[in-house]
Amino acid sequence: AQSVTQLGSHVSVSEGALVLLRCNYSSSVPPYLFWYVQYPNQGLQLLLKYTSAATLVKGINGFEAEFKKSETSFHLTKPSAHMSDAAEYFCAVNSWGKLQFGAGTQVVVTP
Amino acid sequence: NAGVTQTPKFQVLKTGQSMTLQCAQDMNHEYMSWYRQDPGMGLRLIHYSVGAGITDQGEVPNGYNVSRSTTEDFPLRLLSAAPSQTSVYFCASSDGTVNEQYFGPGTRLTVT
Repeated sequence: AQSVTQLGSHVSVSEGALVLLRCNYSSSVPPYLFWYVQYPNQGLQLLLKYTSAATLVKGINGFEAEFKKSETSFHLTKPSAHMSDAAEYFCAVNSWGKLQFGAGTQVVVTP
Repeated sequence: NAGVTQTPKFQVLKTGQSMTLQCAQDMNHEYMSWYRQDPGMGLRLIHYSVGAGITDQGEVPNGYNVSRSTTEDFPLRLLSAAPSQTSVYFCASSDGTVNEQYFGPGTRLTVT
């Protein structure tokens, strides 16, 4: 069975500072990994996805994530936080079309 | 392209009532799924479908029923609502097993 663990349910970051959201997965096969963002009272929007083409994946809004097989990690980063990055972020692993989500990390951006 | 649409946006039910949450997509996607979102638990898969006439259970299927008679529509039925089914429900669709899933705006359901 595949699973996803997101470290930290809440992260507070200053505007302009680095955003780092941690995601670890377990999978018996090469995984397809995703990061989604959810703004208040909205559905989920894809930030980026890993499908084994490249270990460093660039997404929308300046986010990127690095797949590290040895650490079973897929951490999400953004060099400089913006107030508009305040949202909840979900890491997910795809198993034959079924997404297994982490519990989510709420990001708060302070001026 | 409307993408994935869900109705209603909000619903309040009494325990024991039944209802159907509607989901439709106009992208001709074969894969459709229903998830529920609860605080601190992320999203959990309820049921999914890999094409018209084919459905299967996800992680939390009890108390829910689905059918898929067309590619476009994938309704979720609550047979006898319980307070434990208070949640936000999301429908999603995809054009492949490893591709991005597109999510609808969600239905917020409260069961009293």
